[in-house]
Amino acid sequence: NAGVMQNPRHLVRRRGQEARLRCSPMKGHSHVYWYRQLPEEGLKFMVYLQKENIIDESGMPKERFSAEFPKEGPSILRIQQVVRGDSAAYFCASSPGLARAKNIQYFGAGTRLSVL
Amino acid sequence: GENVEQHPSTLSVQEGDSAVIKCTYSDSASNYFPWYKQELGKGPQLIIDIRSNVGEKKDQRIAVTLNKTAKHFSLHITETQPEDSAVYFCAASMGSNYQLIWGAGTKLIIKP
Repeated sequence: NAGVMQNPRHLVRRRGQEARLRCSPMKGHSHVYWYRQLPEEGLKFMVYLQKENIIDESGMPKERFSAEFPKEGPSILRIQQVVRGDSAAYFCASSPGLARAKNIQYFGAGTRLSVL
Repeated sequence: GENVEQHPSTLSVQEGDSAVIKCTYSDSASNYFPWYKQELGKGPQLIIDIRSNVGEKKDQRIAVTLNKTAKHFSLHITETQPEDSAVYFCAASMGSNYQLIWGAGTKLIIKP
């Protein structure tokens, strides 16, 4: 049973380009969370999605950032017109959404975005 | 809303000694408290968790205690080993709210 898969592991973009980060949740998981982590800092919640629905996007910047979790395929975190301040590690987590296990989140290895 | 504070930010212990990391939370409705370990260059991994109907939980060298009255919970690692060196995060969540509220992390250094 594969874990949470994120790709790419490393992504380099120039200022103004677009970054697309992908996350495939664990098999059977229908809930996805995206976090951002700066070096030497903790995890900052960005967005929580279920299949085809955004449940909570309170941690996501209003501009340039968007997320989706389509019926088929991985969840995508999209950053348009990247700036140097977007450089960070972006982690995806998934959970089964079942009654007792709904809070348990399993993380991927992350995507490290570097903006030149 | 919920707020989670974690201390210390850095903890250095001699190999073989015990390490204790403490977290406090603000919302008495929180009922789920996981601990995650993050090694360099990797994603956080769940190492142990506790729900509010239990006061203590153990898994080999790792234990978590919960004091609901004082609203704090702690991670205890006994007989520390070099591979325990990592950043540890605590979190809290309410039953009706899927979102985990995270502590700032503790960098644990095991000295040989």
